[in-house]
Amino acid sequence: QSALTQPASVSGSLGQSITISCTGSSSDVGANNYVSWYQQHPGKAPKLIIYDVSNRPSGVSHRFAGSKSGNTASLTISGLQGEDEADYYCNSYRLNTVVFGGGTKLAVL
Amino acid sequence: EVQLVESGGGLVQPGRSLRLSCAASGFNFDDYAMHWVRQPPGKGLEWVSSISWNSGSIGYADSVKGRFTISRDYAKKSLYLQMNSLRTEDTAMYYCVKDIDSSGYVLQYWGQGTLVTVSS
Repeated sequence: QSALTQPASVSGSLGQSITISCTGSSSDVGANNYVSWYQQHPGKAPKLIIYDVSNRPSGVSHRFAGSKSGNTASLTISGLQGEDEADYYCNSYRLNTVVFGGGTKLAVL
Repeated sequence: EVQLVESGGGLVQPGRSLRLSCAASGFNFDDYAMHWVRQPPGKGLEWVSSISWNSGSIGYADSVKGRFTISRDYAKKSLYLQMNSLRTEDTAMYYCVKDIDSSGYVLQYWGQGTLVTVSS
């Protein structure tokens, strides 16, 4: 059982927007702004797409946006494209450790 | 360009040891925290261990505490993971990861991974 809770799967049509939630506790997501999101395509290493709740690394599309409310962080992908089909993981910091969500598989219809 | 190249994975029997290495290039290795993250086949990501820029702060997941040891060699610009008393549940792809900061928890750049299989 993962420390952070994500939906197992989400789906959306090309051009639509979807949101993936990441629910933690007052010890991790709710305690700091160290929430990051990672994208992983099959057979590839994960890639950082959002850090510190809502910051995008250089080169990451503006279609990816992060937010947080209380103990729940969210990743929104707008204007869905076929290349967005992948697994998405959130993580946060908790008492000198890193905790991950279980991952969400995004299907683009 | 940041490059992280892991090595040392392979098939090992339960109870034996293995040492993973990660050769870093393309950035000032001395200035950044580093991590090991693993992913069992078909499953999600699990943080294993972290070491700060100056090796002054080290952390381990409960699942590996007392069995795994993280270290870094500044002259060789390399990160290591000594894994002892291996268990079947340690079977996973092991990723070497560079942090975005000196002692933070943002996993900025990932290597391609090295596969560890623990089986008799």
